[in-house]
Amino acid sequence: DAGITQSPRHKVTETGTPVTLRCHQTENHRYMYWYRQDPGHGLRLIHYSYGVKDTDKGEVSDGYSVSRSKTEDFLLTLESATSSQTSVYFCAISTTPPGVEQYFGPGTRLTVT
Amino acid sequence: AQSVSQHNHHVILSEAASLELGCNYSYGGTVNLFWYVQYPGQHLQLLLKYFSGDPLVKGIKGFEAEFIKSKFSFNLRKPSVQWSDTAEYFCAVNGRMDSSYKLIFGSGTRLLVRP
Repeated sequence: DAGITQSPRHKVTETGTPVTLRCHQTENHRYMYWYRQDPGHGLRLIHYSYGVKDTDKGEVSDGYSVSRSKTEDFLLTLESATSSQTSVYFCAISTTPPGVEQYFGPGTRLTVT
Repeated sequence: AQSVSQHNHHVILSEAASLELGCNYSYGGTVNLFWYVQYPGQHLQLLLKYFSGDPLVKGIKGFEAEFIKSKFSFNLRKPSVQWSDTAEYFCAVNGRMDSSYKLIFGSGTRLLVRP
């Protein structure tokens, strides 16, 4: 367990509303990631961060933005939620060489109605 | 394009049966390989990993995986499954020279073990 928490754990929101999900880690890892999990697709990377204020896009970044103003917090924002963004969102951290492993948070189940 | 394929989407076994889940990857370069497990309602947990050395790696709970470079495969095995192994299993890869360390996941295999 890498000390990763996510909030909220469950959220229902309406189409068109903004939504922010928070990921918090306690172990000062430099690399953090946001994935979404959908049936039949496994996990797909949305955005990742390699340091404070350093972020980059993943394979499914459209409609999402991120921010990292502190090492411990990585925020994912849906500016205007759509039904296609209904999913389970996982935050992860990565350790760095020589042992590169990712550890995942408990997830946030988001439903957009 | 970089990708990971898991050909078995659903597997149903009886307790004590042997398990083998397939994973093939496409990646232009040297890779690190991982298997993650997700028990119902829980987050992903690392089962085992391969970075280099002995291509047969052992993980937690009696699982093992074999890296076959010529086949671009990293299949997961367990000699005798238990009901508690019911879960979804994900194969993942990242490039050893990729300084972002981001993972590419397969679509997952749901395993149901019948008591």
